Amino acid sequence: NAGVTQTPKFQVLKTGQSMTLQCAQDMNHEYMSWYRQDPGMGLRLIHYSVGAGITDQGEVPNGYNVSRSTTEDFPLRLLSAAPSQTSVYFCASSKTGSNTGELFFGEGSRLTVL
Amino acid sequence: TQLLEQSPQFLSIQEGENLTVYCNSSSVFSSLQWYRQEPGEGPVLLVTVVTGGEVKKLKRLTFQFGDARKDSSLHITAAQPGDTGLYLCARDRGNKLVFGAGTILRVKS
Repeated sequence: NAGVTQTPKFQVLKTGQSMTLQCAQDMNHEYMSWYRQDPGMGLRLIHYSVGAGITDQGEVPNGYNVSRSTTEDFPLRLLSAAPSQTSVYFCASSKTGSNTGELFFGEGSRLTVL
Repeated sequence: TQLLEQSPQFLSIQEGENLTVYCNSSSVFSSLQWYRQEPGEGPVLLVTVVTGGEVKKLKRLTFQFGDARKDSSLHITAAQPGDTGLYLCARDRGNKLVFGAGTILRVKS
């Protein structure tokens, strides 16, 4: 099983450029989420989805958009990249999204904004 | 302000030593998860604790959930270089899982 697949693994952008981080899972999980990880700050939730067609904001949603048109895919869009968005981004999925559900993470996407 | 406070932030020990890392919150939570993350990879779940006072063991790792459900600890016995990594605790907040900043553990051989 591939689990959670993120692409690209590395990306360098210039300020103001847009891009989409892709995330796909093959476990038929209802719940998907995006986190960013910065030194000393752990993982911070950007957006999440409890099922196809439903998305909601996390702790740090500004500057990011998401959509969930299928159960499998949950892309994260940066409309106008800023240096403050330099980070490592992780996509994660869970079978139910309940408060005891295990999150399965992708390997991460390292983004640098110049 | 972190919803979850983890301590210490960094720990460097010799192989064979014991260690404990802590995860604390000012509010009660219904469940807590511990994850380990190795460099270049995503976090992987170690354990979920849901009952106050609960103790779970995973080989040389012992996890405890405080009686008041505001804190948790992870104790590693006879640490090995393979235990090196970032240890993260996470608590539920509705449909969200909120993480602490983590403890970086380095075990030297």
